[in-house]
Amino acid sequence: ETGVTQSPTHLIKTRGQQVTLRCSSQSGHNTVSWYQQALGQGPQFIFQYYREEENGRGNFPPRFSGLQFPNYSSELNVNALELDDSALYLCASSPSERTTYEQYFGPGTRLTVT
Amino acid sequence: KNQVEQSPQSLIILEGKNCTLQCNYTVSPFSNLRWYKQDTGRGPVSLTIMTFSENTKSNGRYTATLDADTKQSSLHITASQLSDSASYICVVIDNYGQNFVFGPGTRLSVLP
Repeated sequence: ETGVTQSPTHLIKTRGQQVTLRCSSQSGHNTVSWYQQALGQGPQFIFQYYREEENGRGNFPPRFSGLQFPNYSSELNVNALELDDSALYLCASSPSERTTYEQYFGPGTRLTVT
Repeated sequence: KNQVEQSPQSLIILEGKNCTLQCNYTVSPFSNLRWYKQDTGRGPVSLTIMTFSENTKSNGRYTATLDADTKQSSLHITASQLSDSASYICVVIDNYGQNFVFGPGTRLSVLP
């Protein structure tokens, strides 16, 4: 176990709704990254938060947004859900925003949009 | 366009055998390359991280190589075990820091 936890484990939403996913980073880690992994594909980078600020973003629309709190836990919010948003959402924490540092992944949240 | 390709898409081997997985990338400028193991329904677990100046790194039965000139990497697994059955994902990070480019993974099945 990496010490990174995510909630909920599974979630079912209807198209057009909004969803919030949560991630608790490993103790001492100040950087959290979020990824979307469609079935049978590799993860796609959504964004990274470092010390409560967005520190990089992948090719995702603005309806994907996030927050990082003073304790370095994080939320991923997705508005106006679409069927293609169905995926495994992974968060990863790291002791530094520098990319040569290790990332530790949580178990993921499986989101199904119907 | 930054891309990471992996081959083969899937692989079946017998327990105890060795295998090699391939990764080709076009990410530039390059910062580092990582190999992850992902069990079904779980988050990826890091196996190796290699920077530009490193051309080989080992982690137990896993050995990764990197040729930054040809932009190729390989992951060699020796004496495979049933628990090695998983997806193996190659990730390349660009030198601007925040562009993590994941490959599609190779699905490895180890049979008794």
